[in-house]
Amino acid sequence: DAGVIQSPRHEVTEMGQEVTLRCKPISGHDYLFWYRQTMMRGLELLIYFNNNVPIDDSGMPEDRFSAKMPNASFSTLKIQPSEPRDSAVYFCASSFSQGMGTEAFFGQGTRLTVV
Amino acid sequence: AQSVTQLDSQVPVFEEAPVELRCNYSSSVSVYLFWYVQYPNQGLQLLLKYLSGSTLVESINGFEAEFNKSQTSFHLRKPSVHISDTAEYFCAVTRMDSSYKLIFGSGTRLLVRP
Repeated sequence: DAGVIQSPRHEVTEMGQEVTLRCKPISGHDYLFWYRQTMMRGLELLIYFNNNVPIDDSGMPEDRFSAKMPNASFSTLKIQPSEPRDSAVYFCASSFSQGMGTEAFFGQGTRLTVV
Repeated sequence: AQSVTQLDSQVPVFEEAPVELRCNYSSSVSVYLFWYVQYPNQGLQLLLKYLSGSTLVESINGFEAEFNKSQTSFHLRKPSVHISDTAEYFCAVTRMDSSYKLIFGSGTRLLVRP
């Protein structure tokens, strides 16, 4: 398996524009996580899905953020409208529910810059 | 709720010296503990984890961590570091009753100098 695949790797957009980040989890994994990494706040869990269903979105900062998982092999994180403070590296991770301390596998991240 | 504290934001060390990266956690329930490593411009990779049994766990590249329940700590150590160990290290926890939500510490940047 190629691992968790995120696209794009880098995104530069203007304030007010819509941004869509994409993630393909590892085949067979039933959990998917979206994290945001900034210097100020470190790694924050935004939302996670189990079997394509959102379980906990309490980390989503505002209504401008939304995430979907239409099927087991694809998820999107959308920001509309984007703001400069959204600039960060966004990671997607997936895991398989083994029942005990499951390892999460991370993608390489999308570095978002909003100017 | 769970929280993880990594007090050291950066640890500079010379090559072949020993190093310890500190991690303390807070939780009202039992947790699993993890160390992840992030190399520059890459995602996080699992380094080692504690689930149960022996409180000392080891990774394949010479790191070890010891779970200390009384001190709620899970410090990471290596007796002799290499230049290639330069990276950011994250301590993380998940609840034993819902072991899929990882809560991370703020990270410690290990800088190995020649």
